[in-house]
Amino acid sequence: LAKTTQPISMDSYEGQEVNITCSHNNIATNDYITWYQQFPSQGPRFIIQGYKTKVTNEVASLFIPADRKSSTLSLPRVSLSDTAVYYCLVGDNNDMRFGAGTRLTVKP
Amino acid sequence: SAVISQKPSRDICQRGTSLTIQCQVDSQVTMMFWYRQQPGQSLTLIATANQGSEATYESGFVIDKFPISRPNLTFSTLTVSNLSPEDSSIYLCSVRQGISDGYTFGSGTRLTVV
Repeated sequence: LAKTTQPISMDSYEGQEVNITCSHNNIATNDYITWYQQFPSQGPRFIIQGYKTKVTNEVASLFIPADRKSSTLSLPRVSLSDTAVYYCLVGDNNDMRFGAGTRLTVKP
Repeated sequence: SAVISQKPSRDICQRGTSLTIQCQVDSQVTMMFWYRQQPGQSLTLIATANQGSEATYESGFVIDKFPISRPNLTFSTLTVSNLSPEDSSIYLCSVRQGISDGYTFGSGTRLTVV
């Protein structure tokens, strides 16, 4: 399984764009890249998933370079309610292992 | 997406006893997953439960300590047996959605062992 590396924490301010990068040097051909968000006392919530290039939904964008050894979750114009832990997972959707995650704190 | 009802949401148990956690899904799913999340930590996969077969446990987790039932395609239970304070944690169940839709998680069960 591809191991993922993310920053432990990040700080931002309301209205800014936040980019969280995840490294996954050993990603396999069949692996997808998936990001989850977790608030305190809740289960993780699916944000976005991609395989290559760029994926965008109503919540975020996911940028994946051609070599797929890293990915970047982009959150546009964050608000205080985006304060959470963000997890990057790499796998074939049959085996989801969580890394340490990035604790994002959005300040007013 | 699937909706998962997980019970109980929290419990306080005496050491040496057991707690059974239930997860009910509003749609049929092949695979259900059980995770543990210790305070301030990430999630650790305990086991994968397929209907009609034995659960597959991850390294460090054994069936005697964490027996799992999967009687049908919408329901599963995880029992944490012979409780000790080290078992105090949040336990979550999860199901896989479509190929590109990731996983849905229950709201978790916060277990405190005293």
